[in-house]
Amino acid sequence: GAVVSQHPSRVICKSGTSVKIECRSLDFQATTMFWYRQFPKQSLMLMATSNEGSKATYEQGVEKDKFLINHASLTLSTLTVTSAHPEDSSFYICSARDVRRPSYEQYFGPGTRLTVT
Amino acid sequence: AQSVTQLDSHVSVSEGTPVLLRCNYSSSYSPSLFWYVQHPNKGLQLLLKYTSAATLVKGINGFEAEFKKSETSFHLTKPSAHMSDAAEYFCVVSDNSNGGSQGNLIFGKGTKLSVKP
Repeated sequence: GAVVSQHPSRVICKSGTSVKIECRSLDFQATTMFWYRQFPKQSLMLMATSNEGSKATYEQGVEKDKFLINHASLTLSTLTVTSAHPEDSSFYICSARDVRRPSYEQYFGPGTRLTVT
Repeated sequence: AQSVTQLDSHVSVSEGTPVLLRCNYSSSYSPSLFWYVQHPNKGLQLLLKYTSAATLVKGINGFEAEFKKSETSFHLTKPSAHMSDAAEYFCVVSDNSNGGSQGNLIFGKGTKLSVKP
């Protein structure tokens, strides 16, 4: 149980275009999902916390107009990178919190590798 | 505020020898602590967690960690390394402030474990 999927697993896009990444909880409901960014050989950096039915909470330094987050249902959150630039190239990982489980438990997706050319 | 320090960025061991990955934490509250493993270009897998129960925590794949409050440490150990253990390991603390309702995870910078044949 507690499986989180991400789609796509990798995407290459041209500079200036937008890319949408989906995060789904497959066998549980997730009122809260988290989006992380990981640069090569570095740790995960929390970008934003996504709550179903409300606006996402962004961490300091993360541009909310560039990284659009939508959490329209209890099993799906999307991250849209708008007007992507090469510096947005990174590994994006989502996680989800099961409403039935303690608040500290998060289940991670396999990640999405974004390359902007 | 919570923080996590992984004392070694890279640890190299021979197959069959013990593994020790060090982690120190700082927390104003009773922390929840985790170790996650990440294989190349993969998502994170939970190895084990400490949530104020037994101080010696056993995880998957033969790993275990001991919570030592007096030393503010949560080191990860394994008696005998296997080639498949080569990966990046993250020590993580949960932000249990605000009554624990946030549950945000704070990641250490990671330790890369190499296993030599």
